[in-house]
This record gives sequence, structure tokens and C-alpha cells, in this order.
Amino acid sequence: KQEVTQIPAALSVPEGENLVLNCSFTDSAIYNLQWFRQDPGKGLTSLLLIQSSQREQTSGRLNASLDKSSGRSTLYIAASQPGDSATYLCAASDSWGKLQFGAGTQVVVTP
Amino acid sequence: GAGVSQSPSNKVTEKGKDVELRCDPISGHTALYWYRQRLGQGLEFLIYFQGNSAPDKSGLPSDRFSAERTGESVSTLTIQRTQQEDSAVYLCASSLFTGLLPEAFFGQGTRLTVV
Repeated sequence: KQEVTQIPAALSVPEGENLVLNCSFTDSAIYNLQWFRQDPGKGLTSLLLIQSSQREQTSGRLNASLDKSSGRSTLYIAASQPGDSATYLCAASDSWGKLQFGAGTQVVVTP
Repeated sequence: GAGVSQSPSNKVTEKGKDVELRCDPISGHTALYWYRQRLGQGLEFLIYFQGNSAPDKSGLPSDRFSAERTGESVSTLTIQRTQQEDSAVYLCASSLFTGLLPEAFFGQGTRLTVV
């Protein structure tokens, strides 16, 4: 059974610092790896999706890497802003698109 | 529609009552998923639909939970004889499953409170 772990569980940084969020998974036979953002009381917003054949994806200040052999993905957020404060979730997908989620990293960016 | 729509956004029900939660996926999305998020916990998979068939119901926690889908459209998750442990946010997601890029898009969720 796939298990997804996110470290750290919580992170607080001053504005302008870069954020590094880690995700590990036990079964390397994933179809893709998706990063989401969740704001309090709201649903999930998809940030980046990395297919199993890819090594990384970039969107603006966000960059996500994927190393299937070691079972790891990392989300980098450059030059953090207070608006980046949220919970970040990673999820590993099987071939049916079924997602196994990590517990999330709660991020606070202080002005 | 423009996104995945769920209704109601909030539901308070008495223990023992039945509830129905609705999900309208993005038009044309063949795959639909239900997840549950209890307070302070991660998301748990409940059920997956491809079209109107459900090849994976493995996440449904008990026989009080059931779901159906009409064609490639709306899905309803029904919880019978609700219990306090059913209190959670229920999230629906849909994807255009071509086998190449099943990126999932989520609705805003239904917050269910059983009192």
C-alpha cells in the first residue's frame, strides 16, 4: 500500500526566504505526483503535476522535482510572500488517477 | 461548468439521519473521485468512478456509505444513519482521464457536521 509522508509538518519563515517542502512515498510505481495548496475552509488548488517520466515542473516561483528511484519529491517556492501561507499537500497517483495524500505541511510566511 | 461544484457547502444533521452530498464535475471529465478529510487529518480516498461505473469502492468506510453517478455527470454520496465520526469535509474531484495526464481538480467541499 502506498504511503506518503511530508516533512516538516509545519514551517514558519520570514517573507522573502525560499521554502523547501519535502514529500516521500513508499511505492515508486506512481503514475504522477501532484502538489496542491489548501487554504482554511476551502478546497484544494492544484499547483503542479509531475508525470512519472519527468524530473521536474516549474510554474512561476514554484518548482517541483521528482526522484522516483528514491521515492522523493520536493516543492521549492522562491522568494516567499505572506500570500503563500497555506497548507501544502503532495499526492501520489496510481494509473486510475486515485490519489494517496500526505498529511501536509502548514506554511506561515511572516511579513 | 468552469469548475467542480459541490452542494451543499455546509450541512448540519442530527445523528441517525441520512444525508446526500452532490458533486457536479467539470464538463467532459470522465473520472470522478470522492475523498474525506476529518478535522486535523489528511485526505482519505472513498470511491472512484469512471463514467457511471465504480471500479474502486475500497475506501468506503462502511455499508452506510454509498455513491452513484449519472452517466459522466453528477454524482451523489449518500450516508445513511449518520454518526458523529462521519463529521468531516467531503471533497469531490474530477479529471479528464485520457490515460496520459489525469490531473485532478477539486471542488470546494461539503462540510458535514453530525450533532
